[in-house]
Amino acid sequence: EAQVTQNPRYLITVTGKKLTVTCSQNMNHEYMSWYRQDPGLGLRQIYYSMNVEVTDKGDVPEGYKVSRKEKRNFPLILESPSPNQTSLYFCASSLFPSRDGNYGYTFGSGTRLTVV
Amino acid sequence: QQQVKQSPQSLIVQKGGIPIINCAYENTAFDYFPWYQQFPGKGPALLIAIRPDVSEKKEGRFTISFNKSAKQFSLHIMDSQPGDSATYFCAANNQGGSEKLVFGKGTKLTVNP
Repeated sequence: EAQVTQNPRYLITVTGKKLTVTCSQNMNHEYMSWYRQDPGLGLRQIYYSMNVEVTDKGDVPEGYKVSRKEKRNFPLILESPSPNQTSLYFCASSLFPSRDGNYGYTFGSGTRLTVV
Repeated sequence: QQQVKQSPQSLIVQKGGIPIINCAYENTAFDYFPWYQQFPGKGPALLIAIRPDVSEKKEGRFTISFNKSAKQFSLHIMDSQPGDSATYFCAANNQGGSEKLVFGKGTKLTVNP
């Protein structure tokens, strides 16, 4: 089954304790991206990657890091989490460049992170 | 900054009603306009998309209307059902350039029985 897999689904951590949220896709997609979703603010892009070893900042990159060493994996790293990073996080992937047709991003099921 | 403005923020209709969600964009280079549907506890999923060479696209009970001159597009849900209760996001991007999708802030739709 074509999918984007995120782990963990739920995570409670303490301020300052480094954590990594993993993201893996099995569709051979070039493009991958991380979003955070907060009430009233919608989906905001954190980082994205056009392909292996190519990453760039999105709209809200502060406090986050990413890496893209393999095409299928795109982990999100919080080196020193803070309470304002409590949020629902989504990883997404797509082909690049897009083709005609009705496809777009495939999203993972989300990671709900709480930083206390 | 590229933006997509979505309204309303929330919407309540009765079963069988026709909810309409509106979006407006600024960047005339946008050429792909998808809608995503998100159920609680799930990630957004592509529902339907349109390109600016057509003014309307239907898939089942879902219709996108597109007005290029006004830079607006909308989602209509015909004969809405309680199972359509979800959050809907419009989005836009320029597929000839970056793949970055710009999302609206979402509309929480509730369809009452």
